Amino acid sequence: DGGITQSPKYLFRKEGQNVTLSCEQNLNHDAMYWYRQDPGQGLRLIYYSQIVNDFQKGDIAEGYSVSREKKESFPLTVTSAQKNPTAFYLCASSRQGLNSNQPQHFGDGTRLSIL
Amino acid sequence: AQSVAQPEDQVNVAEGNPLTVKCTYSVSGNPYLFWYVQYPNRGLQFLLKYITGDNLVKGSYGFEAEFNKSQTSFHLKKPSALVSDSALYFCAVRDPDGGYQKVTFGTGTKLQVIP
Repeated sequence: DGGITQSPKYLFRKEGQNVTLSCEQNLNHDAMYWYRQDPGQGLRLIYYSQIVNDFQKGDIAEGYSVSREKKESFPLTVTSAQKNPTAFYLCASSRQGLNSNQPQHFGDGTRLSIL
Repeated sequence: AQSVAQPEDQVNVAEGNPLTVKCTYSVSGNPYLFWYVQYPNRGLQFLLKYITGDNLVKGSYGFEAEFNKSQTSFHLKKPSALVSDSALYFCAVRDPDGGYQKVTFGTGTKLQVIP
């Protein structure tokens, strides 16, 4: 079955440490996204990528970095500069980019906590 | 700018009764509107979308939504609620004419169906 796989499901970060969240899709979608979900705040866009080797900042990019070297993969690094990283992180993809009417397909998320 | 509001943090409904989850939006042009559902510790699943055409949109699992341009609303409905419908529901909007190339999500409404 096609879909989006996020790993790990749970992740713990020590102070001063960078951690990387994995996102892989086999839907052959061009566009991929990272969202942060906090209770009562809905989803906030961190970064998005509409094609390989290109990505743009979303609304809350500070303290995060991404890469898009392959169509299937869009890893997110939470750096030590992100002072409040505890959240549920969701990766998504869609057939076309943000300039479309296609829905997004989501992975099952990674829950990041601080040790 | 585009925005979306879900005025109810939680909706309680008895099993078998009709349910409504409210959503209002603000865009400069004609909106693309989406509803998603999220079960605990899972990603979002697409339910339905409005792009153009009939104001009543039918989606997955017996859900439907009514687009009302004059009231700028897109309420989610189901004629007979099931206990398994209990989840978190998100409304999302995009303004394809507004030059804002992102989807904005509401803060979510928790639906509790009581047996």
